[in-house]
Amino acid sequence: QSALTQPASVSGSPGQSITLSCTGTSSDVGGYGYVSWYQQHPNKAPKLMIFDVTKRPSGVSNRFSGSKSGNTASLTISGLQAEDEADYYCSSYTANSTWVFGGGTKLTVL
Amino acid sequence: VQLVQSGAEVKKPGESLKISCKASGYSFTSYWIGWVRQVPGKGLEWMGLIYPGDSNTRYSPSFQGQVTLSADKSISTAYMQWTSLKASDTAIYYCARREVGATWFDPWGQGTLVTVSS
Repeated sequence: QSALTQPASVSGSPGQSITLSCTGTSSDVGGYGYVSWYQQHPNKAPKLMIFDVTKRPSGVSNRFSGSKSGNTASLTISGLQAEDEADYYCSSYTANSTWVFGGGTKLTVL
Repeated sequence: VQLVQSGAEVKKPGESLKISCKASGYSFTSYWIGWVRQVPGKGLEWMGLIYPGDSNTRYSPSFQGQVTLSADKSISTAYMQWTSLKASDTAIYYCARREVGATWFDPWGQGTLVTVSS
């Protein structure tokens, strides 16, 4: 199972909206509505931000939203804040009943 | 709900190791525990998961045969073990909870750094 494809880095200014992409195949992202996104600050454990493509866990800001089109899922962060600077990983359930992660995107808030 | 992992380990190639993930705040036997590897400076890799209720396990093909997952219901603790470590096993290992039927992992443990060096 190959890792999902994410851009290595994305940057934005405070207040802007940015979108992170996550591309897979019909055996994972495209075949299921089971994409999740995790935020990881340096030297910290990952934190769930989005699950089942569009759902937000309790306590996660509504500035974070998810979507999917075909084999590509997206995470949009609106009203970018300094605290959003982190690594973001997408993950998908797969046809093999396993999970696969993306390579991660480093978000820099300018 | 909390997952607390065992402390950092420094091992030599060929040695064995068992790291732990202690759960609290929920019914340990009613949720899966997943394991994820992160090589320093690299991304996340899904390794496998275990259902402590019946010790049912599922492994990533990449890690099948390389590690063994287990759980002790009496002390609400999940384990991952190696019989013969390699330098390439150097990484941070995270455990994370998965609700039955869910496709996400939440929450995560704080991670255990395993360093394998001669």
